[in-house]
Amino acid sequence: DTGVSQNPRHKITKRGQNVTFRCDPISEHNRLYWYRQTLGQGPEFLTYFQNEAQLEKSRLLSDRFSAERPKGSFSTLEIQRTEQGDSAMYLCASALSTDTQYFGPGTRLTVL
Amino acid sequence: QQQVKQSPQSLIVQKGGISIINCAYENTAFDYFPWYQQFPGKGPALLIAIRPDVSEKKEGRFTISFNKSAKQFSLHIMDSQPGDSATYFCAASIGDYKLSFGAGTTVTVRA
Repeated sequence: DTGVSQNPRHKITKRGQNVTFRCDPISEHNRLYWYRQTLGQGPEFLTYFQNEAQLEKSRLLSDRFSAERPKGSFSTLEIQRTEQGDSAMYLCASALSTDTQYFGPGTRLTVL
Repeated sequence: QQQVKQSPQSLIVQKGGISIINCAYENTAFDYFPWYQQFPGKGPALLIAIRPDVSEKKEGRFTISFNKSAKQFSLHIMDSQPGDSATYFCAASIGDYKLSFGAGTTVTVRA
């Protein structure tokens, strides 16, 4: 399968803990996006990388959130001091030189 | 604020019927309008997309109609099948930039 992969698929954590998610984009896709989706809503943009450069961060991304894409390949999204409001599906998408964004299966985060 | 408004929130259609989902946008800079299909527990999958230089695009049983002057676009699912039961999201972007999604429409196709 050469699609976008995300790990873990599910994460349950206690409030105040740190969590890290990983996204492996489609090979050679230079653009990588993170979105957050809550129940019954459409995905909301969080941040965007072109190669290894993080070009934009949404105001939804508080200072507890950090994302990296070392060497322009896989990306990680870390949430520090998790809160119950962080519970959501975190989606990663990648794209090449077209508009089409291909989404991964997501990581479902539950903060207890 | 939501840049793309989608309706209805949900719809039920009989097998073989037509499902119609509508979206409206405000930002006239948007130039790419995709529709995504999402099944429970899965990520969104691109279904069909259109650019504002055409008024209609058809792929199989799925058709996008686009009205630039009204800033509206819609998805028609012809001959709806039980396997089409899913949540559908319209979206819009400026080129290869971030997507702004609608809130989604849950479609249920009754056999």
